[in-house]
Amino acid sequence: ETGVTQTPRHLVMGMTNKKSLKCEQHLGHNAMYWYKQSAKKPLELMFVYNFKEQTENNSVPSRFSPECPNSSHLFLHLHTLQPEDSALYLCASSQMPSVANYGYTFGSGTRLTVV
Amino acid sequence: DQQVKQNSPSLSVQEGRISILNCDYTNSMFDYFLWYKKYPAEGPTFLISISSIKDKNEDGRFTVFLNKSAKHLSLHIVPSQPGDSAVYFCAAGHNDMRFGAGTRLTVKP
Repeated sequence: ETGVTQTPRHLVMGMTNKKSLKCEQHLGHNAMYWYKQSAKKPLELMFVYNFKEQTENNSVPSRFSPECPNSSHLFLHLHTLQPEDSALYLCASSQMPSVANYGYTFGSGTRLTVV
Repeated sequence: DQQVKQNSPSLSVQEGRISILNCDYTNSMFDYFLWYKKYPAEGPTFLISISSIKDKNEDGRFTVFLNKSAKHLSLHIVPSQPGDSAVYFCAAGHNDMRFGAGTRLTVKP
């Protein structure tokens, strides 16, 4: 496989459930990101991992918990979510510091619905 | 605090004409700027970029212009084709990127 792969593509969960989103990149990049895309809103940066270390957490509620066990894998653990958390969650990777030339490579996203 | 703004949620142009998508940013520390294209059910794909040391970058039918004093950039697509119909996101950043809300471009045959 090549590129950035996200699983599952779709997820419906209740507010009391615990689930995890998975992201895997096969590009040899050293940075990975979680973004949230809500309807008609900008892509919101949630978490940044650079060389497996979390370098940014944009005031994301604690019901979202990231995990980066190695530079190729990124998880987003979800628990006790709210209906307003329903959105498209996008994973991306990049090669720092040359991101300016090539940008991020995004996965296809996980469409999350909280009921 | 929305640091990157795309004020036009949608744009419709005729095939063969020019499409101009606009983007404004507020953070003067941003030193690179990118445009992404997104089709339904897919993640955004990188289209073209420009760094703050340039004011224009061209790649085939796509040209990005940067006006640093106005904190404004634009993407020109000429000639526009029906296959260009998608949502276009502007992104700007220094160490990581901030995205606009996107502009949905429709190119009519």
